[in-house]
Amino acid sequence: QKEVEQNSGPLSVPEGAIASLNCTYSDRVSQSFFWYRQYSGKSPELIMSIYSNGDKEDGRFTAQLNKASQYVSLLIRDSQPSDSATYLCAVNVGGNDMRFGAGTRLTVKP
Amino acid sequence: ETGVTQSPTHLIKTRGQQVTLRCSSQSGHNTVSWYQQALGQGPQFIFQYYREEENGRGNFPPRFSGLQFPNYSSELNVNALELDDSALYLCASSLAGRTEAFFGQGTRLTVV
Repeated sequence: QKEVEQNSGPLSVPEGAIASLNCTYSDRVSQSFFWYRQYSGKSPELIMSIYSNGDKEDGRFTAQLNKASQYVSLLIRDSQPSDSATYLCAVNVGGNDMRFGAGTRLTVKP
Repeated sequence: ETGVTQSPTHLIKTRGQQVTLRCSSQSGHNTVSWYQQALGQGPQFIFQYYREEENGRGNFPPRFSGLQFPNYSSELNVNALELDDSALYLCASSLAGRTEAFFGQGTRLTVV
C-alpha cells in the first residue's frame, strides 16, 4: 500500500463548478498535511496546509481533514481554467520526511 | 515568488558522471530539503540539511550526498549517474520546526 494515495485523474470540471480532490494516507501518526499545485513543467506551489480535524478555508480553497479515516481533501469552488494543474497531496510522516502522492491532474474547461 | 533559487535549470550528463546541483534558500529559512521527482510521480524525499548537517534521509543510496553552507545554501551531489537518475530535482526551504516547505523552480537533469 502506498503511503499517500490520490486518484491520478484526469479530473475534468466545467468552469464555475466545484472541484473535489481526495487523498488517503497510511501513517496514523501523521500530523501535518499539505496541498501543492504544480503546473506543467513547473515546481510545486504550496496552496494549503492543515493540521487539525475539520475544514480550513482560504479564498476559493477548502481543505478538509479526517484523521480517524486518514483522509484529506481539497475543494476548489468557482473553478477557473487557471486552476488546471496537477494537485499534490503531501503528508509529514514525522521528523523531516514529507511524503507525496503522485498527484491528481485537474482540467477546468471554459 | 518563493525566494528559493536553484541552478542550473537544465542539465544533461552522461551515465557514470557526477553532478552538483545548487540551491539558495528563502531569506530566513535555515532548513533545506531535496526531492527527486520522476515524470508523472510525486516528489520523493532525498534528505534534509539543518545547521550544516544532514537531518533526515529518504531511501536513496549513498551516491546521493549533500552539503549545507553557513548562509543556508545547499548542494546536492550525485555520483556515478544512472539513467534512472533523470528527473526534476527540487530544493525546498523551511524554518526550523516548521513543516511548511517552499520549493525552488527545480533542476531538470537528463542522464544519457
